[in-house]
Formats: sequence, C-alpha cells, structure tokens
Amino acid sequence: EAQVTQNPRYLITVTGKKLTVTCSQNMNHEYMSWYRQDPGLGLRQIYYSMNVEVTDKGDVPEGYKVSRKEKRNFPLILESPSPNQTSLYFCASSLSGLGDSPLHFGNGTRLTVT
Amino acid sequence: KQEVTQIPAALSVPEGENLVLNCSFTDSAIYNLQWFRQDPGKGLTSLLLIQSSQREQTSGRLNASLDKSSGRSTLYIAASQPGDSATYLCAVNDYKLSFGAGTTVTVRA
Repeated sequence: EAQVTQNPRYLITVTGKKLTVTCSQNMNHEYMSWYRQDPGLGLRQIYYSMNVEVTDKGDVPEGYKVSRKEKRNFPLILESPSPNQTSLYFCASSLSGLGDSPLHFGNGTRLTVT
Repeated sequence: KQEVTQIPAALSVPEGENLVLNCSFTDSAIYNLQWFRQDPGKGLTSLLLIQSSQREQTSGRLNASLDKSSGRSTLYIAASQPGDSATYLCAVNDYKLSFGAGTTVTVRA
C-alpha cells in the first residue's frame, strides 16, 4: 500500500532532550516536506526537500533540522526541544516538487514538550 | 505573501444537502490549488488538484472550481452524507504551498 509513515504517533519529552521523528514513503517520491499544525495558525511548513541531499527552509525552520540521505526517508530532528514546539507534526510527499502532483500526508505525530 | 482564507470556519448541514465550501487567496499568480480532507487525529487526504489552466475538476460527488482572476476556489459536495463530516482545507501553490485554516463540516443524519 502506498503510504507515508511517521513514527512515533505520540511523543512526550522534556525540554532540551534531543529527539527525532522519522518519516518514510514507499512511492519513490522526489519531494518531501514537514509541517506543523497549531490551532488558529493552520499548517505551516518547516522544511522541505526536492530530492536526495537537497533540503531548504520553509516558513518556520527555527529549532529544527532535517536530512535527506535516502530518497524514501526524511527525518525531523529537534536538537533541543522547547515547549513552543509542542504541536502536531505532519510529513508529506509528492512525486515532484513542482506542485503538479497531489501531496500525500502521514498520519501525524503529536509532540508534547514539558 | 500569499494569504489563504476559508469562510466559514464551521458548517452544519442535514444529510442530503449540497455543501459549498469557499477558499480565497490574495495572489492570483498560482500554479495550482489543492483541496484536502482531514479527519480528527489523522493526516490530510488530497481530494482534488486543479491546475492554474483549469476551471474545474471533478471526482465523484466532488467538484472544485477555480477562478484565478478573482482569487477564489469553491468545493461543491453533492448530496452530503454523515461520512463527509471532516475538516476541509485548501492549499494554494505559488511555488510554495500555503494552506487555509479549513472549514469544519458536520453532516447531521
């Protein structure tokens, strides 16, 4: 089944403890992206990747890192999480980064930083 | 900066009624527009993708129109069912995707 898989679904951590949220897609998509969704603010892009080893900042990249060493994986790294990073996170992928193909989303990771 | 607005924020209709969801955007120089559905606790599912050269796109009971010059798109859902209850978001692509805040739809049985 074609899908975007995020892990974990739920994560509670403490301020400053490094964490990684994994994202994997099995559709051979070139484009991958991370979003956060907050009440009243909607979906905001954190980072995106047009292809392997090609990443760029979205609207809210501060406090996050990404890497794209393989086509299928696009992990999101929080080196020193803070409470303002408590949010619902989504990974998404599409065939190309030109926006001419539908975006497929994972089921989300709900992160709580205390 | 592209601003995407969806009004109303919430909508409740009886089963069988047609749904009309609105999306407006400020910069008409877009490549395409997508409509998504989001169920509680789940990710977004792409419903329709309209290219800037298209006026509308249809899939089953769903029809989406695009008027670039006026900065508007409308999603029509015919003969609504309780299973259509969800939040519907539009996203405008002008090199990067900008999302609206969504319209939460409740279809009453």
